[in-house]
Amino acid sequence: EAGVAQSPRYKIIEKRQSVAFWCNPISGHATLYWYQQILGQGPKLLIQFQNNGVVDDSQLPKDRFSAERLKGVDSTLKIQPAKLEDSAVYLCASSFGGVGTQYFGPGTRLLVL
Amino acid sequence: SQELEQSPQSLIVQEGKNLTINCTSSKTLYGLYWYKQKYGEGLIFLMMLQKGGEEKSHEKITAKLDEKKQQSSLHITASQPSHAGIYLCGAGLNQGGKLIFGQGTELSVKP
Repeated sequence: EAGVAQSPRYKIIEKRQSVAFWCNPISGHATLYWYQQILGQGPKLLIQFQNNGVVDDSQLPKDRFSAERLKGVDSTLKIQPAKLEDSAVYLCASSFGGVGTQYFGPGTRLLVL
Repeated sequence: SQELEQSPQSLIVQEGKNLTINCTSSKTLYGLYWYKQKYGEGLIFLMMLQKGGEEKSHEKITAKLDEKKQQSSLHITASQPSHAGIYLCGAGLNQGGKLIFGQGTELSVKP
């Protein structure tokens, strides 16, 4: 069974530029999560989707971050404009149900200069 | 302060030694998950515990959830270099499925 796919794996941008990350969850997983992991910390949930609806986006900085999951399968997370403090690993995870085990992708490492 | 505290933050052990990592919450946990992360990579699922007193093992790794469901420990027996990495505990603090994570414990195993 294929795992969670993410791209790109690495991205370097200048501050104030925009960037987008893509995630394809495990087949059949209805719930998709985006996390931000700053160096030396645990992952922090940014947004949770159930199919193509948002369940929780309370910690998403909505002035600059946006996410969508239009067809209930893959998802994109966008940052516009990026700030230095957005440098982090962005992890995507999926689960079969809303309370099931979450399986993570390899992450996208973002460096904002 | 962190809602989920891990200790120690880092650990260096000699190959073959046993070790324990702790994960403590001030609130009742609804599901406790242990993950392993290698630098620059995603999280690999190890085990999930739900019931107070539950204990699970996989190869040389054993995880326990205490009776009051507020603390978990991860024990590695006869550590090997392949055990090196960052161990993260993740917990649900309600029944909605949202997880919060501890800050991680970085384990190094010296050959």
